[in-house]
Amino acid sequence: DQQVKQNSPSLSVQEGRISILNCDYTNSMFDYFLWYKKYPAEGPTFLISISSIKDKNEDGRFTVFLNKSAKHLSLHIVPSQPGDSAVYFCAASAAGSSNTGKLIFGQGTTLQVKP
Amino acid sequence: SAVISQKPSRDICQRGTSLTIQCQVDSQVTMMFWYRQQPGQSLTLIATANQGSEATYESGFVIDKFPISRPNLTFSTLTVSNMSPEDSSIYLCSVELLSDLFSNGYTFGSGTRLTVV
Repeated sequence: DQQVKQNSPSLSVQEGRISILNCDYTNSMFDYFLWYKKYPAEGPTFLISISSIKDKNEDGRFTVFLNKSAKHLSLHIVPSQPGDSAVYFCAASAAGSSNTGKLIFGQGTTLQVKP
Repeated sequence: SAVISQKPSRDICQRGTSLTIQCQVDSQVTMMFWYRQQPGQSLTLIATANQGSEATYESGFVIDKFPISRPNLTFSTLTVSNMSPEDSSIYLCSVELLSDLFSNGYTFGSGTRLTVV
């Protein structure tokens, strides 16, 4: 059972435009959500996170939106740059000591930003 | 900032053999984790490497297949035992750095790309 889903395997946008990456989850116990970016031959790099008590978190060009009722979150990148081209993973975690460090990942979305 | 060194970066192994992957951090960390990313799949947590005690394995993963060592606060190894082609994956270690505590974003090594033939 895939608890975190990224239904779009790929996304292509023009440089300067907005990139919107989507993520859905099924487990209502998730209370923390993260986005990671991964370049080929490298490990995932933490990008931005959001707690379930918030509905928006912004960091420079990156904004994550959380809709708890819909169990949906999205990552907005604006303006998109060619260097943003990478695989983006959505991840979630649940509270509790037994869940510390346990991240549930989506399948990833490959973003291509065209110059 | 802390550096995570993971070795080897890639390997091609014969089925039935074993491979040990090393994860070295240049600072002490409390939490170390091992993940697997099978081709076209998401990252899946294998186990939490506990310093001074046995690793805690997730459902579907067992110690006999993936023995883990954690001799100190800066080092851990994951062994993939009796390999089969289905073990072909990227294996990643993950740690919680001090800088991560403010973001809850764990830091990953660069991964080991394993191909079993």
